[in-house]
Amino acid sequence: EDQVTQSPEALRLQEGESSSLNCSYTVSGLRGLFWYRQDPGKGPEFLFTLYSAGEEKEKERLKATLTKKESFLHITAPKPEDSATYLCAALVYNYGQNFVFGPGTRLSVLP
Amino acid sequence: NAGVTQTPKFRILKIGQSMTLQCTQDMNHNYMYWYRQDPGMGLKLIYYSVGAGITDKGEVPNGYNVSRSTTEDFPLRLELAAPSQTSVYFCASRTGGNQPQHFGDGTRLSIL
Repeated sequence: EDQVTQSPEALRLQEGESSSLNCSYTVSGLRGLFWYRQDPGKGPEFLFTLYSAGEEKEKERLKATLTKKESFLHITAPKPEDSATYLCAALVYNYGQNFVFGPGTRLSVLP
Repeated sequence: NAGVTQTPKFRILKIGQSMTLQCTQDMNHNYMYWYRQDPGMGLKLIYYSVGAGITDKGEVPNGYNVSRSTTEDFPLRLELAAPSQTSVYFCASRTGGNQPQHFGDGTRLSIL
């Protein structure tokens, strides 16, 4: 069964304190690993797509990396506005071109 | 650039009532999806569509129905609402291939 897990469930950081969020996946035929940001009361907003192991993508204070079993979202010197829930999702071959989502990591950055 | 629009934003239903959640997109995307999101859980796929006139069940379809008569619209129908259907419902669309989904801001539904 295709499965995506995320850790930690929640993370509290001080402003400027760098850290990483983990997304582990067990899927048959990964077509892409997607990261989304979700603010309270809003829908998920697309951040990155990673297609193959070793690939990295960056956007401001965020960098996403991918291995054959997991993806990391590294947050460098976070600011309070980075507080949100971060979701990862695997696009898989054997699921009608559909996505398997992880439960998310709830990030709080304190000033 | 409206993207994906969902209505209503909030709704309270009584057990046994029916309603339709509306979703429309203005990006000419072929693929559309309905998810539900419960606290601490990932997004669960209810139904999806790969184009007008074509729909298929996702992981949790029981108690729901969909139709796709146009490229733009993908309404979700709840028949005989049950407390277990209390959730936040998200609609999404995408072009296809390896492209990401674009989400609406959700409908928060409570069944009492």
